[in-house]
Amino acid sequence: QLVLTQSPSASASLGASVKLTCTLSSGHSSYAIAWHQQQPEKGPRYLMKLNSDGSHSKGDGIPDRFSGSSSGAERYLTISSLQSEDEADYYCQTWGTGLWVFGGGTKLTVL
Amino acid sequence: QVQLVQSGAEVKKPGASVKVSCKASGYTFTSYYMHWVRQAPGQGLEWMGIINPSGGSTSYAQKFQGRVTMTRDTSTSTVYMELSSLRSEDTAVYYCARDNSWGQGTLVTVSS
Repeated sequence: QLVLTQSPSASASLGASVKLTCTLSSGHSSYAIAWHQQQPEKGPRYLMKLNSDGSHSKGDGIPDRFSGSSSGAERYLTISSLQSEDEADYYCQTWGTGLWVFGGGTKLTVL
Repeated sequence: QVQLVQSGAEVKKPGASVKVSCKASGYTFTSYYMHWVRQAPGQGLEWMGIINPSGGSTSYAQKFQGRVTMTRDTSTSTVYMELSSLRSEDTAVYYCARDNSWGQGTLVTVSS
């Protein structure tokens, strides 16, 4: 079964970097994923598509501070030079045959 | 640029139906599948189903089978999501989404 697992919460200081993790279920380590950001009281915003080889393509207007990488079944979102507006929920998402699957989301707190 | 503009908030009574629209612009409407995703208050994102705007074929999450209907109107580049037999647990923000774009969301409140 295709499942994405995320830690419920993460925190990092203003100006620092943070690496969020999304883990694909067994047997699905070659899958690409997408990362989405949801700021408080707003709708989701597409950040990037991230492939199993670590290559990624970002959405329009997404700052260079956001980058993606991969290792095995793990997909990462790294945010550098954290700003207050980066405090948000981050969801990973993948796709099976005709369906989408979401991770549970990680709530990022910027200290 | 891609834009997905959804219809406004709705308040419905239990047992009623709701139909949410999503008007697409900035790309060839029939070239990209459209998904519907919902988010209950304080909860994560939940995939509901997908429609192919080209031929109109659909696939729904098992949880919503029998209660959801997704349709499209190619003349207006609009997709629709209708959810029937509403209950309080259906109170949520409903989003249409393409591979790299989201609508702004439509709040549906189910209350007697």
